[in-house]
Amino acid sequence: QLQLQESGPGLVKPSESLSLTCTVSGGVISRSSFYWAWIRQSPGTGLEWIGNIHYSGTTYYSPSLKSRVTISVDILRDQFSLKLRSVTAADAGMYYCARQSMTFRPDWLDPWGQGSLVIVSA
Amino acid sequence: QSVLTQPPSVSAAPGQKVTISCSGSSSNSGENYVSWYQLLPGTAPKLLIYDNNKRPSGISDRFSGSKSGTSATLGITGLQTGDEADYYCGTWDNSLSTGVFGGGTKVTVL
Repeated sequence: QLQLQESGPGLVKPSESLSLTCTVSGGVISRSSFYWAWIRQSPGTGLEWIGNIHYSGTTYYSPSLKSRVTISVDILRDQFSLKLRSVTAADAGMYYCARQSMTFRPDWLDPWGQGSLVIVSA
Repeated sequence: QSVLTQPPSVSAAPGQKVTISCSGSSSNSGENYVSWYQLLPGTAPKLLIYDNNKRPSGISDRFSGSKSGTSATLGITGLQTGDEADYYCGTWDNSLSTGVFGGGTKVTVL
């Protein structure tokens, strides 16, 4: 059964970079036509799609975050990572990784990781 | 403000049915498949419905999905206390070139 698990620092200082890693187990990240996505949920708000990556390195990013985001993949470790630069308090929240179906465009997300809580504070 | 519009909350007694609407536009739900997710605190979000009306393996048939035009609906029948959660619809927006979600609907079992 495919499982995803986020990891990374829970506390980030304003203006610094947020880095999270998602480890995929029960499957191989490169043996798939799926994409691997990051989604976040800020306090009191809904879900926000950040972007995704294929094991080949093809990426799609949310236009609102594109200038600050990099998603990368490590197929040897079955991991993919998120880096968000110049964080502010608005970037605090729960960050989820998920496998994303891609037909003509990004589609459903399943499974998801349990989430990694990120606090932005000096 | 979310691109897709959902009611903030719905409630019903155990055993009853609730429906959650998800309203979008021609650039998102009108053109693309809609999926539905259940979020429970402390657990991984769960895919309930994909491609408007399909259930993944292992999802109870008490959950159903439909779409007409730019609006999608999630139905939950035989409501149980374990169904108390936040539910989100999601799709792709062709104009914004990004994934979009509804604001979420909290289901309360009375």
